[in-house]
Amino acid sequence: EPEVTQTPSHQVTQMGQEVILRCVPISNHLYFYWYRQILGQKVEFLVSFYNNEISEKSEIFDDQFSVERPDGSNFTLKIRSTKLEDSAMYFCASRGAGGTETQYFGPGTRLLVL
Amino acid sequence: AQSVAQPEDQVNVAEGNPLTVKCTYSVSGNPYLFWYVQYPNRGLQFLLKYITGDNLVKGSYGFEAEFNKSQTSFHLKKPSALVSDSALYFCAVRDLSSASKIIFGSGTRLSIRP
Repeated sequence: EPEVTQTPSHQVTQMGQEVILRCVPISNHLYFYWYRQILGQKVEFLVSFYNNEISEKSEIFDDQFSVERPDGSNFTLKIRSTKLEDSAMYFCASRGAGGTETQYFGPGTRLLVL
Repeated sequence: AQSVAQPEDQVNVAEGNPLTVKCTYSVSGNPYLFWYVQYPNRGLQFLLKYITGDNLVKGSYGFEAEFNKSQTSFHLKKPSALVSDSALYFCAVRDLSSASKIIFGSGTRLSIRP
């Protein structure tokens, strides 16, 4: 069964450093998402991506964040200058083209900013 | 704006007993509702969804959910709980924006005792 994959599973970085989180969505999916879950809190939407551009972003997704689909398979989230409060689990998700299609989530990347 | 509420932070059930995890929703228009499960240190796994049709939706691992329009509820149920069902359960609604992001509830921790 196809699944969303994410790398790395864990990342530890120093405050102010840049990080890139990688995702490989399910191959025939067209909509891509990033969510995050701060420890003990609910899952929050960050950004959605369709047709090579951002279709929606939350207030969390400020200028420090960017997304890219550099080739036909990867979907990345970059945080330019990490802050302590960026420590969270980051989930990638993808879905197909139909209006009722389910979003499938990857296993997540746990980011710890020191 | 779309939202979901999970009134219980924790539900404790003895193995073999039926379980219910509650969810209520608030949407404009027709709701697209989901249940996801998160096992410790794992990603979000899709359990089931309601789009239209039969109010009783069957999903993975023997779970089902009942859509009740008059009570705006979408409770998750299972006739006989297993210890392995212990996890964090999220109710969610699909936002009706073009990006169709998922809006999650706060989560309910289900604990099944042997």
